[in-house]
Amino acid sequence: ESVLTQSPATLSVSPGERATLSCRASQSVSSYLAWYQQRPGQAPRLLIYDASNRATGIPARFSGSGSGTDFTLTISSLEPEDFAVYYCQHRSIWPPGYTFGQGTKLEIK
Amino acid sequence: HVQLVESGGGVVQPGRSLRLSCAASGFTFSKFGMHWVRQAPGKGLEWVAVISFDGSHKFFADSVKGRFTVSRDNSKNTLDLQLNSLRVEDTAVYYCAKGRDDYLDSWGQGTLVTVSS
Repeated sequence: ESVLTQSPATLSVSPGERATLSCRASQSVSSYLAWYQQRPGQAPRLLIYDASNRATGIPARFSGSGSGTDFTLTISSLEPEDFAVYYCQHRSIWPPGYTFGQGTKLEIK
Repeated sequence: HVQLVESGGGVVQPGRSLRLSCAASGFTFSKFGMHWVRQAPGKGLEWVAVISFDGSHKFFADSVKGRFTVSRDNSKNTLDLQLNSLRVEDTAVYYCAKGRDDYLDSWGQGTLVTVSS
């Protein structure tokens, strides 16, 4: 079972700037990694799946990259609604289960 | 438009039981695996359980194995989570989510379970 470690825990960025979030897996997960956004008081929503594919309705300023153990979520030009907590997630085949990273809080600088 | 609406949360004493439900609409419920994910106050996401599209396969997080059960009724488009032997550390918002391949592509708004004496 792969443990997912996200960094940094908190990222302070100004609106309009680029944000880069990291997720590292303790063992290779190939490209089977997703990213979720959770705004305050809201449910999470799927942003990126299979490391680099945007989910339906997700703006093009969100992009994902990486494979194996190192993954990145990039938000090219931050909008006010992008300040939220972001989680990465992987599915383990054995033992069967789903793992989330501990999250990165993206805050306004 | 996918809609998932959880219900059944509340305050319960340690050791007692609670049953959560999730009403699904806007998609063919019987074709998708369904999940429960929880979030303790101020904490991150913790996956709890998954049930396959036909209910034949169920998997649980180690933290709830043997205490929680999951079921579904494809004729009513509902998903249930039975929480037994509740502990203080089970206090959380419980979300139901629709599965898609290895991911969770739609989420409900959650229902709060508080375990306290």
